[in-house]
Amino acid sequence: AQKVTQAQTEISVVEKEDVTLDCVYETRDTTYYLFWYKQPPSGELVFLIRRNSFDEQNEISGRYSWNFQKSTSSFNFTITASQVVDSAVYFCALSEANSNYQLIWGAGTKLIIKP
Amino acid sequence: DAGVTQSPTHLIKTRGQHVTLRCSPISGHKSVSWYQQVLGQGPQFIFQYYEKEERGRGNFPDRFSARQFPNYSSELNVNALLLGDSALYLCASSLVRVPYNEQFFGPGTRLTVL
Repeated sequence: AQKVTQAQTEISVVEKEDVTLDCVYETRDTTYYLFWYKQPPSGELVFLIRRNSFDEQNEISGRYSWNFQKSTSSFNFTITASQVVDSAVYFCALSEANSNYQLIWGAGTKLIIKP
Repeated sequence: DAGVTQSPTHLIKTRGQHVTLRCSPISGHKSVSWYQQVLGQGPQFIFQYYEKEERGRGNFPDRFSARQFPNYSSELNVNALLLGDSALYLCASSLVRVPYNEQFFGPGTRLTVL
């Protein structure tokens, strides 16, 4: 069973638009962590955020914000006023206590920001 | 400070050959993890090493092996290469065992098996 689902394979928006990337996860653990990583064309994965299962506070970092909702098992990522440099593949990942905290990755969402 | 480094950057092998990929973690990091990323997919966990011991293994055949050296660098070995082993192999380091610290990824080694 897929544990991390990123249903949006590819999203294309015009610069300055807001865009939300969806992430739905599945776990029976009460202790788990959720992550977002960015993979630009260069290939190197860049850490964006980590959230633990006991902290449902939303987080904002500049133009980036994350909405963690345990009730819907979702951890969505919003970019406000998108820029061309935001173009990349974005991955959501899950780390569970019962799986020895191995990272389980979604398939990724390719985000294209057009000028 | 240098980030995670991997060598080689690119590699072309033929079926049945053996390959060794290398990774140097960020200075002070004791945990190294290896991932395979097939084109168009998310990374798949292969191994985690912490303090030179294997701490986790993903669902990969025994053709895949790894080790961590006293200086915390690591090697990933793949024997009897198959076409399906063609992928980007990513190494990540962290201070301690995940998830208590974020993982920092290297640029990867692009392996092509012909």
